[in-house]
Amino acid sequence: DGGITQSPKYLFRKEGQNVTLSCEQNLNHDAMYWYRQDPGQGLRLIYYSQIVNDFQKGDIAEGYSVSREKKESFPLTVTSAQKNPTAFYLCASSRNTEAFFGQGTRLTVV
Amino acid sequence: DQQVKQNSPSLSVQEGRISILNCDYTNSMFDYFLWYKKYPAEGPTFLISISSIKDKNEDGRFTVFLNKSAKHLSLHIVPSQPGDSAVYFCAARFYGGSQGNLIFGKGTKLSVKP
Repeated sequence: DGGITQSPKYLFRKEGQNVTLSCEQNLNHDAMYWYRQDPGQGLRLIYYSQIVNDFQKGDIAEGYSVSREKKESFPLTVTSAQKNPTAFYLCASSRNTEAFFGQGTRLTVV
Repeated sequence: DQQVKQNSPSLSVQEGRISILNCDYTNSMFDYFLWYKKYPAEGPTFLISISSIKDKNEDGRFTVFLNKSAKHLSLHIVPSQPGDSAVYFCAARFYGGSQGNLIFGKGTKLSVKP
């Protein structure tokens, strides 16, 4: 089935550790995105990529890094510089008039 | 400063009645608006959208209305069903922007009571 796969669904890390969230899509979409959701908040854009080997910062990129070496993959690294990393992270891809989302990864940093 | 606002954090409706979810925006450069539905611990799913050149779009029980002069859009669900209980996000896209680069509101939690 076509879609966007985020893994893992739940992730726990100790404070000070970097952690990488996976996002894979087989929809042949050029554009991919990472959003963050906090309780009572909308979805805020972290990074986006319109094409392979290119990506742009979103509204809250500090403390995060991404890569886009393949069209299908857009991993997000949450670094130790991110002050409040505990959140629900959503990956999305798009081609035409709508964005499709993955199921999300709940990251908890203890 | 929020560019897309959903001023009601929650809404409770009786099954079979109409649910009306509201969304206001401030930027006149938005050209496309979308509604997403989200269950807890899941990704949002696309529901319905409307281009800024239209004032109404209908899909089954879901209708979106756009009032450009008021910078306001609303989602109507008729009749409401218990399975509609979820958080609904309004999103807007800048003219010429990528479809994934959306500005989201904070969401409205809809509860449909049997």
